[in-house]
Amino acid sequence: SQTIHQWPATLVQPVGSPLSLECTVEGTSNPNLYWYRQAAGRGLQLLFYSVGIGQISSEVPQNLSASRPQDRQFILSSKKLLLSDSGFYLCAWNLGLAVDEQYFGPGTRLTVT
Amino acid sequence: AQTVTQSQPEMSVQEAETVTLSCTYDTSESDYYLFWYKQPPSRQMILVIRQEAYKQQNATENRFSVNFQKAAKSFSLKISDSQLGDAAMYFCAYRSSGGADGLTFGKGTHLIIQP
Repeated sequence: SQTIHQWPATLVQPVGSPLSLECTVEGTSNPNLYWYRQAAGRGLQLLFYSVGIGQISSEVPQNLSASRPQDRQFILSSKKLLLSDSGFYLCAWNLGLAVDEQYFGPGTRLTVT
Repeated sequence: AQTVTQSQPEMSVQEAETVTLSCTYDTSESDYYLFWYKQPPSRQMILVIRQEAYKQQNATENRFSVNFQKAAKSFSLKISDSQLGDAAMYFCAYRSSGGADGLTFGKGTHLIIQP
């Protein structure tokens, strides 16, 4: 069966510090991968998605970047965090089939102080 | 761009009763998919039900069913025989027909179950 992992689960970082969040999927090959952010009291906003190694699509221009160095690894990064980067970050995957749902990881709670 | 609107920030229902959560969306596409996700306090996103726009029949999953009105761009979720475990945030989501497209979410409805 497929599983999706995210780490760390919780992170507190000062403004201006770098960020690296990691997401990995097990049990499948060539998944589509997604990063979402959920701000307090709001829905999820799509940040990036990837259909293959090295292929990144950005949905919202901002202080973040994403990379996919391996087939089942998706990384969210920032060189300098802003207070507005605080939120709950969710990684998701699917196989890109027509009716395929997205399967979400457990999330990372990021607090920028 | 597509938008999804959930007009009920919070709903409350007595245990064993029925509740309906509302969702409307805006799109110019004719082929798309709609989803309801549940987010309990653990914050794990769990798929509740999905609907393909080309299907006229409303989707049903046990106690959960939808009322899909394509012309009105409405996609409501009905929960029958509400249980304490149904308490959660519920998000309506839209996806274009392309398999790689991300989901567009509404802001969510917080469902409270009164014992």
